[in-house]
Amino acid sequence: DQQVKQNSPSLSVQEGRISILNCDYTNSMFDYFLWYKKYPAEGPTFLISISSIKDKNEDGRFTVFLNKSAKHLSLHIVPSQPGDSAVYFCAASAYFNKFYFGSGTKLNVKP
Amino acid sequence: DSGVTQTPKHLITATGQRVTLRCSPRSGDLSVYWYQQSLDQGLQFLIQYYNGEERAKGNILERFSAQQFPDLHSELNLSSLELGDSALYFCASSDRGFGEQFFGPGTRLTVL
Repeated sequence: DQQVKQNSPSLSVQEGRISILNCDYTNSMFDYFLWYKKYPAEGPTFLISISSIKDKNEDGRFTVFLNKSAKHLSLHIVPSQPGDSAVYFCAASAYFNKFYFGSGTKLNVKP
Repeated sequence: DSGVTQTPKHLITATGQRVTLRCSPRSGDLSVYWYQQSLDQGLQFLIQYYNGEERAKGNILERFSAQQFPDLHSELNLSSLELGDSALYFCASSDRGFGEQFFGPGTRLTVL
């Protein structure tokens, strides 16, 4: 039962442009959402999070948007840089009990 | 470097065998999580410990077990191994049992 879905396995954008990574979830009890970045041969690295009481959280070039009614969140990276090329996972939890991860989106930022 | 260490880095074994994966959390972190990532799949949550006690259980098979010791390191035991158990196993830690998790580099298990 996949409660968190990332329907785009890959995304390619030009350096300097915006990257938008999407994530959908099915469990309306989820109240905390995170994005992780993963390079090959390394563990995932935390990027940014958002609580369900907010609809937007910003950290530098990274912004996460949460649309609770649509059960959808997105990660915007502006401007995209070649070093952003990695696999991005979204994750969700309800009351910090169990974390469900999506299958990941591979972002390629072309110079 | 996340501060989370996992050993061994690679493990090759045969079907039916038993292995133990080890994780040392970041200094001061009380919570440890175990995840399995099969080929081209997302991370599947297996189990969480907080200060020595099991806190949450995910899709962990009965052949698998884990524990967290008084010094807060954790071990994941996988027994009666099958080919399908071949995967990357990640350990993560957090300070409070919620919030962001810091991941180790993973243990790649290959069952032949």
